[in-house]
Amino acid sequence: DQQVKQNSPSLSVQEGRISILNCDYTNSMFDYFLWYKKYPAEGPTFLISISSIKDKNEDGRFTVFLNKSAKHLSLHIVPSQPGDSAVYFCAATRYNTDKLIFGTGTRLQVFP
Amino acid sequence: ETGVTQTPRHLVMGMTNKKSLKCEQHLGHNAMYWYKQSAKKPLELMFVYSLEERVENNSVPSRFSPECPNSSHLFLHLHTLQPEDSALYLCASSQAEGTHNEQFFGPGTRLTVL
Repeated sequence: DQQVKQNSPSLSVQEGRISILNCDYTNSMFDYFLWYKKYPAEGPTFLISISSIKDKNEDGRFTVFLNKSAKHLSLHIVPSQPGDSAVYFCAATRYNTDKLIFGTGTRLQVFP
Repeated sequence: ETGVTQTPRHLVMGMTNKKSLKCEQHLGHNAMYWYKQSAKKPLELMFVYSLEERVENNSVPSRFSPECPNSSHLFLHLHTLQPEDSALYLCASSQAEGTHNEQFFGPGTRLTVL
């Protein structure tokens, strides 16, 4: 049973527009959420995170929104750039545990 | 440079071979992880070492054997693997103890079992 789901395997966005990547989770005990970006032939790199006590966290062009009642989070990238083309993984965890539970990833392609 | 290195980057082995994957972290972390990434599947946690002790073994077959000689090094010993074990194997590290566990990943080893 997948506890973290990314239902869109791919997304294509024009350069300069907004990219919105979505993630749903089922376990209400999760209290911290992370987004990782992965380029081919590289490991995932941490991008941005959000605690369950917040509903928004912003870092430059990247903003993560959390809707706890819907068990849904989203990553917004504005404006999108070709270098953002990568696979984006959503992950969830609980405080003071060693486990990150990952989604299957969404491949973002930003075209000129 | 993520501070986590993995060798080899690519490995092709037969089902009767024995090989080892190596991971080294230069971040001063005290927890290390092995993950398996297969096509169209989430990253699957295999093993967790915290303070050099194994604290998690996610029902991984015994043909995968981890070793953590110190907090900077992690090995995954492989023997008599099956073709379905072909995948990307990722190592990660983090600072455990009262944190939300942002993990830093290595580039992975792409394993092909013939």
